[in-house]
Amino acid sequence: QSALTQPASVSGSPGQSITISCTGTSSDVGGYNYVSWYQQHPGKAPKLMIYEVSNRPSGVSNRFSGSKSGNTASLTISGLQAEDEADYYCSSYTIFGGGTKLTVL
Amino acid sequence: QVQLVESGGGLVKPGGSLRLSCAASGFTFSDYYMSWIRQAPGKGLEWVSYISSSGSTIYYADSVKGRFTISRDNAKNSLYLQMNSLRAEDTAVYYCASVLYPDTFQHWGQGTLVTVSS
Repeated sequence: QSALTQPASVSGSPGQSITISCTGTSSDVGGYNYVSWYQQHPGKAPKLMIYEVSNRPSGVSNRFSGSKSGNTASLTISGLQAEDEADYYCSSYTIFGGGTKLTVL
Repeated sequence: QVQLVESGGGLVKPGGSLRLSCAASGFTFSDYYMSWIRQAPGKGLEWVSYISSSGSTIYYADSVKGRFTISRDNAKNSLYLQMNSLRAEDTAVYYCASVLYPDTFQHWGQGTLVTVSS
Protein backbone atom coordinates (compact mmCIF):
# COMPACT_ATOMS: atom_id res chain seq x y z
CA GLN A 1 0.00 0.00 0.00
CA SER A 2 1.34 3.44 -0.90
CA ALA A 3 1.75 6.30 1.52
CA LEU A 4 -0.99 8.88 1.66
CA THR A 5 -0.19 12.10 -0.23
CA GLN A 6 0.30 15.34 1.67
CA PRO A 7 1.80 18.66 0.54
CA ALA A 8 5.40 18.97 1.68
CA SER A 9 4.82 22.38 3.20
CA VAL A 10 2.21 24.98 3.96
CA SER A 11 2.49 28.37 5.59
CA GLY A 12 0.31 31.04 7.07
CA SER A 13 0.42 34.17 9.17
CA PRO A 14 -0.71 34.36 12.78
CA GLY A 15 -4.50 34.54 13.02
CA GLN A 16 -5.05 33.07 9.57
CA SER A 17 -6.49 29.64 8.73
CA ILE A 18 -4.69 26.93 6.80
CA THR A 19 -5.75 23.55 5.46
CA ILE A 20 -3.57 20.50 4.95
CA SER A 21 -4.82 17.83 2.56
CA CYS A 22 -4.29 14.09 2.71
CA THR A 23 -5.12 12.10 -0.40
CA GLY A 24 -5.52 8.35 -0.51
CA THR A 25 -7.69 5.89 -2.35
CA SER A 26 -11.07 4.24 -1.98
CA SER A 27 -9.25 1.42 -0.16
CA ASP A 28 -8.14 3.64 2.70
CA VAL A 29 -9.17 7.30 3.16
CA GLY A 30 -12.19 7.09 0.89
CA GLY A 31 -13.45 3.75 2.09
CA TYR A 32 -13.73 4.29 5.83
CA ASN A 33 -14.15 7.04 8.40
CA TYR A 34 -10.80 6.22 9.96
CA VAL A 35 -8.43 9.11 9.34
CA SER A 36 -6.20 10.52 12.07
CA TRP A 37 -3.94 13.55 12.24
CA TYR A 38 -0.77 13.90 14.33
CA GLN A 39 1.31 16.95 15.24
CA GLN A 40 5.04 16.58 15.77
CA HIS A 41 7.35 19.30 17.03
CA PRO A 42 11.10 18.90 16.34
CA GLY A 43 12.67 16.27 18.54
CA LYS A 44 9.35 15.35 20.13
CA ALA A 45 6.96 12.43 19.83
CA PRO A 46 3.87 12.77 17.63
CA LYS A 47 0.65 13.88 19.32
CA LEU A 48 -2.84 12.85 18.28
CA MET A 49 -4.87 15.87 17.14
CA ILE A 50 -7.83 14.40 15.22
CA TYR A 51 -9.22 10.86 14.98
CA GLU A 52 -11.99 9.21 12.98
CA VAL A 53 -11.89 12.08 10.47
CA SER A 54 -13.23 14.85 12.69
CA ASN A 55 -13.07 13.93 16.38
CA ARG A 56 -10.82 15.91 18.72
CA PRO A 57 -9.26 14.20 21.75
CA SER A 58 -9.75 15.84 25.10
CA GLY A 59 -7.33 18.74 25.53
CA VAL A 60 -6.83 19.52 21.86
CA SER A 61 -7.77 23.07 20.90
CA ASN A 62 -11.00 23.54 18.94
CA ARG A 63 -8.92 25.54 16.46
CA PHE A 64 -8.10 22.15 14.95
CA SER A 65 -10.76 20.47 12.83
CA GLY A 66 -10.90 17.61 10.37
CA SER A 67 -13.07 16.69 7.42
CA LYS A 68 -13.19 14.33 4.46
CA SER A 69 -14.50 14.39 0.92
CA GLY A 70 -14.10 11.35 -1.26
CA ASN A 71 -10.53 10.10 -1.11
CA THR A 72 -9.16 13.31 0.45
CA ALA A 73 -9.12 14.20 4.12
CA SER A 74 -8.27 17.66 5.41
CA LEU A 75 -6.95 19.21 8.59
CA THR A 76 -7.85 22.86 9.15
CA ILE A 77 -6.15 25.03 11.73
CA SER A 78 -7.87 28.32 12.40
CA GLY A 79 -6.46 31.32 14.24
CA LEU A 80 -2.88 30.21 13.56
CA GLN A 81 -0.47 30.60 16.46
CA ALA A 82 3.30 30.40 16.58
CA GLU A 83 3.08 27.18 18.61
CA ASP A 84 1.26 25.48 15.73
CA GLU A 85 4.48 25.44 13.71
CA ALA A 86 5.27 21.73 13.42
CA ASP A 87 5.09 18.73 11.14
CA TYR A 88 1.66 17.21 10.59
CA TYR A 89 0.96 13.63 9.53
CA CYS A 90 -2.27 12.00 8.46
CA SER A 91 -2.93 8.30 8.72
CA SER A 92 -5.55 5.82 7.65
CA TYR A 93 -5.24 2.50 9.43
CA THR A 94 -1.52 1.73 9.30
CA ILE A 95 -0.70 3.97 6.35
CA PHE A 96 0.85 7.35 7.04
CA GLY A 97 1.13 10.40 4.85
CA GLY A 98 4.56 11.77 4.07
CA GLY A 99 4.08 14.71 6.42
CA THR A 100 3.53 18.44 5.96
CA LYS A 101 5.75 21.11 7.48
CA LEU A 102 3.66 24.03 8.71
CA THR A 103 5.46 27.34 8.94
CA VAL A 104 3.88 30.24 10.80
CA LEU A 105 5.22 33.37 9.15
CA GLN B 1 -1.74 10.25 33.32
CA VAL B 2 -0.80 7.89 30.51
CA GLN B 3 2.91 7.24 30.25
CA LEU B 4 4.79 5.10 27.75
CA VAL B 5 8.54 4.78 28.20
CA GLU B 6 10.65 3.00 25.60
CA SER B 7 14.09 1.58 26.25
CA GLY B 8 16.62 -0.75 24.67
CA GLY B 9 17.78 1.28 21.71
CA GLY B 10 21.41 1.70 20.77
CA LEU B 11 24.09 1.06 18.19
CA VAL B 12 24.16 -2.39 16.60
CA LYS B 13 26.03 -3.85 13.63
CA PRO B 14 24.21 -5.01 10.50
CA GLY B 15 22.89 -8.51 11.04
CA GLY B 16 22.70 -7.98 14.77
CA SER B 17 19.78 -8.08 17.18
CA LEU B 18 18.17 -5.75 19.67
CA ARG B 19 15.15 -5.96 21.97
CA LEU B 20 13.10 -2.87 22.64
CA SER B 21 10.82 -2.50 25.65
CA CYS B 22 7.96 -0.14 26.38
CA ALA B 23 6.74 0.30 29.96
CA ALA B 24 3.15 1.48 30.24
CA SER B 25 1.39 3.20 33.12
CA GLY B 26 -1.65 5.35 33.80
CA PHE B 27 -4.14 3.17 31.93
CA THR B 28 -5.36 -0.42 31.86
CA PHE B 29 -2.67 -1.80 29.59
CA SER B 30 -4.35 -5.18 29.12
CA ASP B 31 -7.41 -3.51 27.56
CA TYR B 32 -5.52 -1.89 24.69
CA TYR B 33 -4.05 -2.90 21.38
CA MET B 34 -0.48 -1.61 21.11
CA SER B 35 1.78 -0.72 18.22
CA TRP B 36 5.35 0.11 17.26
CA ILE B 37 5.96 2.94 14.82
CA ARG B 38 9.34 4.16 13.61
CA GLN B 39 10.81 7.29 12.10
CA ALA B 40 14.08 7.27 10.19
CA PRO B 41 16.24 10.39 10.66
CA GLY B 42 14.66 13.31 8.83
CA LYS B 43 11.88 11.10 7.43
CA GLY B 44 8.21 10.43 8.05
CA LEU B 45 6.40 7.94 10.23
CA GLU B 46 6.25 4.25 9.34
CA TRP B 47 4.03 1.73 11.09
CA VAL B 48 5.99 -1.38 12.13
CA SER B 49 3.77 -3.77 14.07
CA TYR B 50 0.50 -4.17 15.93
CA ILE B 51 -0.59 -6.54 18.73
CA SER B 52 -4.05 -7.11 20.15
CA SER B 53 -4.85 -6.68 23.83
CA SER B 54 -4.52 -10.41 24.51
CA GLY B 55 -1.58 -10.89 22.16
CA SER B 56 -3.52 -13.31 19.99
CA THR B 57 -3.59 -11.06 16.90
CA ILE B 58 -0.37 -9.67 15.44
CA TYR B 59 0.44 -7.79 12.25
CA TYR B 60 3.73 -6.63 10.74
CA ALA B 61 4.77 -4.27 7.99
CA ASP B 62 6.21 -6.12 5.01
CA SER B 63 9.54 -4.36 5.61
CA VAL B 64 10.07 -6.16 8.94
CA LYS B 65 8.07 -9.39 8.53
CA GLY B 66 10.14 -12.42 9.42
CA ARG B 67 12.80 -10.34 11.21
CA PHE B 68 10.89 -8.54 13.99
CA THR B 69 8.66 -10.06 16.69
CA ILE B 70 6.21 -8.07 18.77
CA SER B 71 5.05 -9.36 22.14
CA ARG B 72 3.54 -8.15 25.38
CA ASP B 73 3.38 -9.06 29.05
CA ASN B 74 0.14 -7.75 30.49
CA ALA B 75 1.19 -8.71 34.03
CA LYS B 76 4.18 -6.40 33.67
CA ASN B 77 2.38 -3.70 31.64
CA SER B 78 5.08 -4.04 29.02
CA LEU B 79 5.37 -4.20 25.25
CA TYR B 80 8.38 -5.59 23.43
CA LEU B 81 9.92 -5.63 19.97
CA GLN B 82 12.57 -8.23 19.22
CA MET B 83 14.54 -7.10 16.19
CA ASN B 84 16.79 -9.61 14.40
CA SER B 85 18.83 -9.45 11.19
CA LEU B 86 18.99 -5.70 11.47
CA ARG B 87 19.77 -3.62 8.40
CA ALA B 88 20.99 -0.08 7.91
CA GLU B 89 17.50 0.90 6.77
CA ASP B 90 16.12 -0.09 10.18
CA THR B 91 17.91 2.91 11.68
CA ALA B 92 15.18 5.03 13.24
CA VAL B 93 13.56 6.31 16.38
CA TYR B 94 11.13 3.61 17.50
CA TYR B 95 7.95 4.73 19.25
CA CYS B 96 5.45 2.58 21.09
CA ALA B 97 1.86 3.76 21.00
CA SER B 98 -1.45 2.73 22.49
CA VAL B 99 -4.16 2.09 19.94
CA LEU B 100 -7.68 3.44 20.07
CA TYR B 101 -9.18 0.58 18.09
CA PRO B 102 -9.01 0.11 15.22
CA ASP B 103 -6.38 2.46 13.99
CA THR B 104 -5.79 5.57 16.06
CA PHE B 105 -2.40 5.86 17.72
CA GLN B 106 -3.67 7.56 20.83
CA HIS B 107 -0.71 7.94 23.18
CA TRP B 108 2.97 7.83 22.22
CA GLY B 109 6.18 7.26 24.11
CA GLN B 110 9.18 9.53 23.72
CA GLY B 111 10.94 7.06 21.45
CA THR B 112 14.21 5.15 21.51
CA LEU B 113 16.89 5.49 18.83
CA VAL B 114 18.16 2.41 17.03
CA THR B 115 21.25 2.87 14.88
CA VAL B 116 22.39 0.05 12.62
CA SER B 117 25.92 0.69 11.41
CA SER B 118 29.25 -1.07 11.14
